[in-house]
Amino acid sequence: KQEVTQIPAALSVPEGENLVLNCSFTDSAIYNLQWFRQDPGKGLTSLLLIQSSQREQTSGRLNASLDKSSGRSTLYIAASQPGDSATYLCAVLNYGGATNKLIFGTGTLLAVQP
Amino acid sequence: GAGVSQSPSNKVTEKGKDVELRCDPISGHTALYWYRQSLGQGLEFLIYFQGNSAPDKSGLPSDRFSAERTGGSVSTLTIQRTQQEDSAVYLCASSPYRAEETQYFGPGTRLLVL
Repeated sequence: KQEVTQIPAALSVPEGENLVLNCSFTDSAIYNLQWFRQDPGKGLTSLLLIQSSQREQTSGRLNASLDKSSGRSTLYIAASQPGDSATYLCAVLNYGGATNKLIFGTGTLLAVQP
Repeated sequence: GAGVSQSPSNKVTEKGKDVELRCDPISGHTALYWYRQSLGQGLEFLIYFQGNSAPDKSGLPSDRFSAERTGGSVSTLTIQRTQQEDSAVYLCASSPYRAEETQYFGPGTRLLVL
């Protein structure tokens, strides 16, 4: 059974710092991994999607890496801003079969202090 | 274009009552998912619809939960005889065709069972 863990559960940093969020998964047979952002009272916004054959994806100040063999992904946020404050969730899609469900981690609550 | 919409945004009900939650996916998206986000439980998959195929109901927690999708578009999640443990945010997502593609989430329906 796939299990997804995110560390840390919460993080507070001053504005301008670079930071790394971690995601680990127990079953390496994944199709892809996605990072989402969730603002309070809102739905999820997809940030980056990494296919299993890829090593990383970049979008603006965000860079996500994937090491499938070790079951790890990181989300790097450069030059953090108060507007980056949100909960960040990673989710994996297991490969094969009829399962089409994303398996989510419990998230990292990020607070960027001005 | 318009994103995924859900209604109602908030619902308060009494234990034992039935509730219906609605999801309007992005136009043209053939895949539709329901997830539940409970406090302390994270996000969990409930059900997946793909075109005219039989839905994947493997995540539904009990037979009090059911969902349908009419005309390949709008979906309704029904919870019968609600219990307090059903209190959660119910999120709907859609993707263009396959689960391997990015899933776009709606804002969710916050359900509180008293």
